[in-house]
Amino acid sequence: NAGVTQTPKFRVLKTGQSMTLLCAQDMNHEYMYWYRQDPGMGLRLIHYSVGEGTTAKGEVPDGYNVSRLKKQNFLLGLESAAPSQTSVYFCASSPGLTYNEQFFGPGTRLTVL
Amino acid sequence: GENVEQHPSTLSVQEGDSAVIKCTYSDSASNYFPWYKQELGKRPQLIIDIRSNVGEKKDQRIAVTLNKTAKHFSLHITETQPEDSAVYFCAASIDTGFQKLVFGTGTRLLVSP
Repeated sequence: NAGVTQTPKFRVLKTGQSMTLLCAQDMNHEYMYWYRQDPGMGLRLIHYSVGEGTTAKGEVPDGYNVSRLKKQNFLLGLESAAPSQTSVYFCASSPGLTYNEQFFGPGTRLTVL
Repeated sequence: GENVEQHPSTLSVQEGDSAVIKCTYSDSASNYFPWYKQELGKRPQLIIDIRSNVGEKKDQRIAVTLNKTAKHFSLHITETQPEDSAVYFCAASIDTGFQKLVFGTGTRLLVSP
């Protein structure tokens, strides 16, 4: 099993450009999450999904959109990138039972110039 | 909403010493407290967790304690080794199957040989 994978690993954007980050998991997990990690601020939840076709806002959702058309995939979109969105983005998934570990992907380092 | 504070931000110890990292949370309804370890350039990985109905949990050299009255929990690492060097994150959530984790800001642990 590959676990949780993310593409791309690195990306540089110019202000105003758009892009989509892809997260895929092969563990048949129900729940999926997108976090951003900034120095000194830990991990903050952007959006999450509790099942195929569902999405919900997390702690810092502004400027991002998500979709979960297939159970195994969770996409994070930036419609008009801003320098404040420079960060490392982590996707995670969990089985959907109580007290379960969240499994993280390897991360995507995004720089917005 | 939930707020998690974590101290210290950096911790340097000699190999073989013990290390303690402390977190406080604000929402008395939180019932699940995981700890994640993140090595440099890698993804966060769960190392231990504790539920609100338990006061202490151990796993070899690591242990976590929880004081619900004071709303704080701590990670204890004994007989530290250089490979324990990493950033450690605490988190809290109200777990009803779905975990909306709120993370602390992280502690960078450096273990010197």
